[in-house]
Amino acid sequence: GNSVTQMEGPVTLSEEAFLTINCTYTATGYPSLFWYVQYPGEGLQLLLKATKADDKGSNKGFEATYRKETTSFHLEKGSVQVSDSAVYFCARMDTGRRALTFGSGTRLQVQP
Amino acid sequence: DTEVTQTPKHLVMGMTNKKSLKCEQHMGHRAMYWYKQKAKKPPELMFVYSYEKLSINESVPSRFSPECPNSSLLNLHLHALQPEDSALYLCASSQESSGRRSDTQYFGPGTRLTVL
Repeated sequence: GNSVTQMEGPVTLSEEAFLTINCTYTATGYPSLFWYVQYPGEGLQLLLKATKADDKGSNKGFEATYRKETTSFHLEKGSVQVSDSAVYFCARMDTGRRALTFGSGTRLQVQP
Repeated sequence: DTEVTQTPKHLVMGMTNKKSLKCEQHMGHRAMYWYKQKAKKPPELMFVYSYEKLSINESVPSRFSPECPNSSLLNLHLHALQPEDSALYLCASSQESSGRRSDTQYFGPGTRLTVL
């Protein structure tokens, strides 16, 4: 079936470090891909999205590129802040479906 | 504005109680969703409404009863819940465009439900 796999967490970084959170998806169909962020005690916020191959989503210094050849949508940020500490979910939505399929989530902890 | 609001923020109920969760959006979206999120897990889809009609029910027990009174509101009625139903309940909405590309879902802050 259609699935999303994320790297296990927690990821612990120092402030201003470079961040990569890996996300891969099964190569069925042409899904739209999303990154959502969940801060402690809150709901999910859309961070960025890409709807077709080679699209790059970006927001608040975060970027992810839809790579069809590697079936990946890795999240990157050049310099993380303490305020970026949260759980990050990679998700896909397949054309004609309404359900988001989420990865397991990756907790990011940024230390001052 | 991409705001989805949910009330209450927290809810504690006994197994014999009846309560309702409420969700509202004013973005003109015509699809609305309920998700359930257990601790340290991703959200799981429960229900989808499209143009105020139930279009997806992911085999959710009948003690959860959704209702969509109009295009801006979505309710989840709760009755005779079990302690294992304790979770964060998230509402989301999206446009229901006729194009083939899937629409972005925007989430509310959630209701944290505890069943005693």
